Amino acid sequence: EIVLTQSPGTLSLSPGERATLSCRASQGVKSAYLAWYQQKPGQAPRLLIYGASRRATGIPDRFSGSGSGTDFTLSISALEPEDFAVYYCQQYGTSFTFGPGTKVDIK
Amino acid sequence: QLQESGPGLVKPSETLSLSCTVSGASIKSYYWSWIRQAPGKGLEWIAYIYYDGITNYSPSLKSRVTISVDTSKNQVFLNLSSVTAADTAVYYCARRREYCAGGSCFLSFDPWGQGTLVTVSS
Repeated sequence: EIVLTQSPGTLSLSPGERATLSCRASQGVKSAYLAWYQQKPGQAPRLLIYGASRRATGIPDRFSGSGSGTDFTLSISALEPEDFAVYYCQQYGTSFTFGPGTKVDIK
Repeated sequence: QLQESGPGLVKPSETLSLSCTVSGASIKSYYWSWIRQAPGKGLEWIAYIYYDGITNYSPSLKSRVTISVDTSKNQVFLNLSSVTAADTAVYYCARRREYCAGGSCFLSFDPWGQGTLVTVSS
């Protein structure tokens, strides 16, 4: 089973700043099977990015994804107040796994 | 739209049973999945199913989990046996989204239900 590691665990930033979140896999992941989600307290996760770099419907272009193989990145170009949340990466190999999450909170 | 339902409290060693009602789409058109989240913890994928019986289970839960569908009711079900306190979680139903373009097929979960909290306690 592929294990995903996310770093940092917590990212403290101010609105307007750039956020860079990392997702590292224990073995190579097909980019088509790498996705990112945003979760706010008390809410279900929301799909942000699929196929490592494709924005889901309705997702603002300040969100972008990149990477391949074992290293993937989610970037938020300029944080809006509504972007402070927990972000998870997800992969599919023979089964699905999620990373432990990165919390982006207000500095 | 996905709506989970089931008992909010289950006793240890018993079987947790949940249903997910799918509206706005035919259950025969997609794969459907269960995902859970223990309080304050991350997401854990449990299983997925296609209406024709194709299933895939998390290796860590496979021995205790059964996922099924009722196409006449457009519902997906989850049974988790021999539960312990470690199974206390919010359980989400989600569509396993497979989108194909440009020669590639992309896998993700979208949409998700609102989730239902199940507590395992005597």
